[in-house]
Amino acid sequence: GAGVSQSPSNKVTEKGKDVELRCDPISGHTALYWYRQSLGQGLEFLIYFQGNSAPDKSGLPSDRFSAERTGGSVSTLTIQRTQQEDSAVYLCASSLRSSGETDTQYFGPGTRLTVL
Amino acid sequence: AQSVTQPDIHITVSEGASLELRCNYSYGATPYLFWYVQSPGQGLQLLLKYFSGDTLVQGIKGFEAEFKRSQSSFNLRKPSVHWSDAAEYFCAVGARGSTLGRLYFGRGTQLTVWP
Repeated sequence: GAGVSQSPSNKVTEKGKDVELRCDPISGHTALYWYRQSLGQGLEFLIYFQGNSAPDKSGLPSDRFSAERTGGSVSTLTIQRTQQEDSAVYLCASSLRSSGETDTQYFGPGTRLTVL
Repeated sequence: AQSVTQPDIHITVSEGASLELRCNYSYGATPYLFWYVQSPGQGLQLLLKYFSGDTLVQGIKGFEAEFKRSQSSFNLRKPSVHWSDAAEYFCAVGARGSTLGRLYFGRGTQLTVWP
């Protein structure tokens, strides 16, 4: 079946602009995660959704970052007033999470964000 | 705090040689353990995982990993490397018994394969 998809694949923006990154999880997966991958920091957790709620937002680096999920499916990560340090690959993952415990996360191809 | 250490930033092997990528974790209890692989410009692909049971787990592409509780390690192995295995490899841990589900990743090991 279809995997996790993300759009756009690449985004170049100017410092100070807002950007929206989209994630379509695997159909039927109730859990959705956002991670950020940058050269200096490796893979960092940003936020976790179970259904439409976000029980763990602890990884969001500042209040410029927000995310929402609607219909238990698509999620959007928004970065306001982008800064050069926001340049990174943003990865989305989804999992079944039917048991309430950690299970296997499947990753999308990522969105490469470049802030000029 | 949870942490994952991959001590080798870059490994180079010849095609056909054996491979072992090291992973050590720091965690309060036995976590769930994963290895992912990332090719250039791609997302992460799951190679294998350990949740419970047999401590030697088999994955895709001929990879295996062994969980050693006494050493807090989950090393990845392959008996004979192929040129297509060149990629970056990430070890990750997840919290057993947690409802939050986030993964903690190591910094990755870049594998180069010489023909």
